[in-house]
Amino acid sequence: AQKITQTQPGMFVQEKEAVTLDCTYDTSDPSYGLFWYKQPSSGEMIFLIYQGSYDQQNATEGRYSLNFQKARKSANLVISASQLGDSAMYFCAMREDSGGSEKLVFGKGTKLTVNP
Amino acid sequence: DTEVTQTPKHLVMGMTNKKSLKCEQHMGHRAMYWYKQKAKKPPELMFVYSYEKLSINESVPSRFSPECPNSSLLNLHLHALQPEDSALYLCASSPLEGGGTEAFFGQGTRLTVV
Repeated sequence: AQKITQTQPGMFVQEKEAVTLDCTYDTSDPSYGLFWYKQPSSGEMIFLIYQGSYDQQNATEGRYSLNFQKARKSANLVISASQLGDSAMYFCAMREDSGGSEKLVFGKGTKLTVNP
Repeated sequence: DTEVTQTPKHLVMGMTNKKSLKCEQHMGHRAMYWYKQKAKKPPELMFVYSYEKLSINESVPSRFSPECPNSSLLNLHLHALQPEDSALYLCASSPLEGGGTEAFFGQGTRLTVV
């Protein structure tokens, strides 16, 4: 079984600064995918960024980048130039294939608060 | 706006009621999912409908029953729920193309059982 660990229940950052949200994973599959989602208080899960296990470069999407260290099994999310609207829960997730169907397995999440 | 539509957005029901949550997607995705999320917890998978086959998380009680009328709809029927079933219910869909194809989530239904 795969496992996702997010060790930071809460993080605080000043507006316009960068912040790193940690995620480590455990899998024996050679092929896997890692996702980060943002969940504001409204409840919707918003896809941010994806990293594939065979991708040679770290993924980037605008202000979001993924610090992928395969040997350490970590996939940390870096948010640059934080904005007040970035305050939300952030979930790291791994795609798992079981019984012929795919599903996402989520970490416990990190609550990010951006201070003005 | 999300391309996965969930209705209703809020639902309050008694323990003897029967209600249904609806989820619809028009992206031609081949898989649809129901997740349950308790407050301050991550989403947990309840059901997956993919390749015309329904997969069930065995820990989900039978008072929850999914129905897939067609490839665009995945409903969740609720009957005789308990107060501990109060949660955010998230529907998602995925094209199942592998790689970085993410799951698209709806806005969720906040369910309160009284």
